Amino acid sequence: DIQMTQSPSSLSASVGDRVTITCRASQGITNDLGWYQQKPGKAPKCLIYAASSLQSGVPSRFSGSGSGTEFTLTISSLQPEDFATYYCLQHNSFPLTFGQGTKVEIK
Amino acid sequence: QVQLQESGPGLVKPSETLSLICTVSGDPISGYYWSWIRQPPGKGLEWIGYISSSGSTNYNPSLKSRVIISVDPSKNQFSLRLSSVTAADSALYYCARDGYDASNYGYIAIDIWGQGTKVTVSS
Repeated sequence: DIQMTQSPSSLSASVGDRVTITCRASQGITNDLGWYQQKPGKAPKCLIYAASSLQSGVPSRFSGSGSGTEFTLTISSLQPEDFATYYCLQHNSFPLTFGQGTKVEIK
Repeated sequence: QVQLQESGPGLVKPSETLSLICTVSGDPISGYYWSWIRQPPGKGLEWIGYISSSGSTNYNPSLKSRVIISVDPSKNQFSLRLSSVTAADSALYYCARDGYDASNYGYIAIDIWGQGTKVTVSS
């Protein structure tokens, strides 16, 4: 299985802050990676696919980068509605595997 | 707009079989891959497996010996059976579908999600 190591596991930030979350894959996955946002009591929602493509309707303050084994999700200016848990997902090989999640909390 | 809805018992006894159904509305089941994903309380996400509309499957090796995913295109449904359950199988179970971005048709491995159904394993 490909292990996805996500960091940090949690962070505290203020509205307007720039936030960066990292996922490292245990082996190369080209750009077969997505980023998901999950709010309490809700299903995850895809923000980024193919490592850097913004899904339609997702605000442009979200961006993704990386290829191979290291990937980054950046929120350029954190908004109140962005406080949530974020997961990466690799779909390069089976089984599909998620990072352990990053909880973004209000400072 | 496609919608997914999980249904099934919320309480299952240890050693018994968990059975869930996902009903798809708003789009035919053909042409996509249909996954089950679970999330234990307060924990992260685990992909259980998927089935194509033609019936080919791929399961997480950690659960493979206990999992069966099947599809019924005539009912626009797919289902999950997980046998010999223990308390460790207590989780929120999501059904989900792959898809394509509306603007540029880029592939999204897990695109549409159901709302999830809570399953507790307890005697």
